[in-house]
Amino acid sequence: DTAVSQTPKYLVTQMGNDKSIKCEQNLGHDTMYWYKQDSKKFLKIMFSYNNKELIINETVPNRFSPKSPDKAHLNLHINSLELGDSAVYFCASSRSDIPTYEQYFGPGTRLTVT
Amino acid sequence: AQSVTQLGSHVSVSEGALVLLRCNYSSSVPPYLFWYVQYPNQGLQLLLKYTSAATLVKGINGFEAEFKKSETSFHLTKPSAHMSDAAEYFCAVSDQGQAGKSTFGDGTTLTVKP
Repeated sequence: DTAVSQTPKYLVTQMGNDKSIKCEQNLGHDTMYWYKQDSKKFLKIMFSYNNKELIINETVPNRFSPKSPDKAHLNLHINSLELGDSAVYFCASSRSDIPTYEQYFGPGTRLTVT
Repeated sequence: AQSVTQLGSHVSVSEGALVLLRCNYSSSVPPYLFWYVQYPNQGLQLLLKYTSAATLVKGINGFEAEFKKSETSFHLTKPSAHMSDAAEYFCAVSDQGQAGKSTFGDGTTLTVKP
């Protein structure tokens, strides 16, 4: 009965590769997010989708491309991976009909680029 | 633009002692404020939120926070620390109408000594 799930949990890959991280939520939420948490635990929003429509797109290299096939899924594809992409990536979701948009987070995907 | 400052990247308390984690915010409009907790190798979990309904907000696990507009603060407290409270704590702010775009503080690591 996991609310927000991410796969894989760990991802180790080499520079230059392309990889994807998947996120699914079963909370019935209509808004989903991707965050990046660096080694100092600083958390920054990358993208947000509402009903499959991109609504937040922070300053992120265009090697990162989110895709939302439906409102329960938000995947993150990363091209030409670089060492600096190593981080923990969190998916989150919320309801847009609740003004606070309080967010529910997934367990994270630890990406290590070697 | 909204911002959050968490004073003290590391806080250490003894078991049974008062926990006080500080958060100051900046927002051009009345904000929504949140405290999230992150246990090791897990995602973030909402502890409590301020939505302007009441200035003293009670959350899970015995935590509470008080919104002080004059001080632009939203400090998190717990009367008696437990070993299980050891974690990373994040304060976050979002402006009403910002469609879920939350800005997170840099986090405070809470250590609880036996």
